Amino acid sequence: EVQLVESGGGLVKPGGSLRLSCAASGFPFADTWMTWVRQAPGKGLEWVGRIETKADGEKTDYAAPVKGRFTLSRDDSTNTLFLQLRSLKTEDTGVYYCTTDFYDYGDYIDSWGQGTLVTVSS
Amino acid sequence: DIQMAQSPSSLSASVGDRVTITCRASQSISFYLNWYQQKPGRAPEVLIYGASNLQTGVPSRFSGSGSGTEFTLTITNVHPEDFATYYCLQTYETPRTFGQGTRVDIK
Repeated sequence: EVQLVESGGGLVKPGGSLRLSCAASGFPFADTWMTWVRQAPGKGLEWVGRIETKADGEKTDYAAPVKGRFTLSRDDSTNTLFLQLRSLKTEDTGVYYCTTDFYDYGDYIDSWGQGTLVTVSS
Repeated sequence: DIQMAQSPSSLSASVGDRVTITCRASQSISFYLNWYQQKPGRAPEVLIYGASNLQTGVPSRFSGSGSGTEFTLTITNVHPEDFATYYCLQTYETPRTFGQGTRVDIK
């Protein structure tokens, strides 16, 4: 069973930094592209960024509002995905979800963690 | 970036009703569209992938259609547990983009 468990959220001041982690299990993590999605309180879903596999060059893509401030990385030895948040703004407040989607022998797998809350406030 | 215009933003329905939600893409995305359901305090769950494929375990009262730029999610015979917020997501290219969401509540 695919499982994604986020951690690392908390309260941080504007301009501060935070590193989120996502522990993955139940699927071949090293062979899977991984994504972060966020949701501001009472608002809709926003795609944050994606990291490809090492075999694909670990290419990263980011949404415009976070480009240059957020960095995705992965540790395939521990099946862990990271999101480094820097120069945080109040509008970065929200629940951050670790997600992935892939095909497994014809079945479509789309899995989300429970989310971790980031609050940016002075 | 591809923009996804989802409508309506909210609707009221009664148990047993048929509900239709639409997403329009700013450019063709072929069949690369997913539909999600989200309940308060929970992560989203995929209902439909590839525009019209029902995810395993999702009731058959949910269906998706469309291609190119226009897509529809239909719920026939709405059940009480279907009152939630629904989102479309284009998976054609990065950055992936969501629709603004449709809140379905009880009339």
